[in-house]
Amino acid sequence: AAGVIQSPRHLIKEKRETATLKCYPIPRHDTVYWYQQGPGQDPQFLISFYEKMQSDKGSIPDRFSAQQFSDYHSELNMSSLELGDSALYFCASSSGPLQYFGPGTRLTVL
Amino acid sequence: AQSVTQPDIHITVSEGASLELRCNYSYGATPYLFWYVQSPGQGLQLLLKYFSGDTLVQGIKGFEAEFKRSQSSFNLRKPSVHWSDAAEYFCAVGAGNSGGYQKVTFGTGTKLQVIP
Repeated sequence: AAGVIQSPRHLIKEKRETATLKCYPIPRHDTVYWYQQGPGQDPQFLISFYEKMQSDKGSIPDRFSAQQFSDYHSELNMSSLELGDSALYFCASSSGPLQYFGPGTRLTVL
Repeated sequence: AQSVTQPDIHITVSEGASLELRCNYSYGATPYLFWYVQSPGQGLQLLLKYFSGDTLVQGIKGFEAEFKRSQSSFNLRKPSVHWSDAAEYFCAVGAGNSGGYQKVTFGTGTKLQVIP
């Protein structure tokens, strides 16, 4: 069965650089969610999209933005990267109550 | 807003012993409840979920959990732990709305160590 695809799987950036994370949901899933998991932390909800519209916003910094495109894939754009942005970023998709998580993108900011 | 409490940060059990990981949630309506497992540096794997119906739910890898509304709990159990069960376990609660959207809030996790 198709799963959620995230790219890249690993990303290394310098401080103040920009990063773009991509998420490809399971086909026919209409909702995409982004979560951030810092080292030793639990995943924290960042933002979600339902039918290409932002549906909720969590603890997402103003330096981050995201969108969902017409093909339902989503991109998380992160600017002016800080050391504290180093984390595992998960995307999840759903068509109902159950979210299916992708493998995550590990972002390291040096 | 929903919240999840996992009171045990670390648990150590002997291989073959039984396991119970505690989870308490706070949510105004009937929640969607989940248990996920995460190995170091890996993604989140769903062990089991509760949406409605039978309050005892069976999951993968021999895990089960029981939803107790009166106690706002959703404890995870396994009768006999294997060394490969060593990982971090997250309890999570989901909130729904009429648009089908659901935000998942995770507990802080319980790290399970299995000793021979």
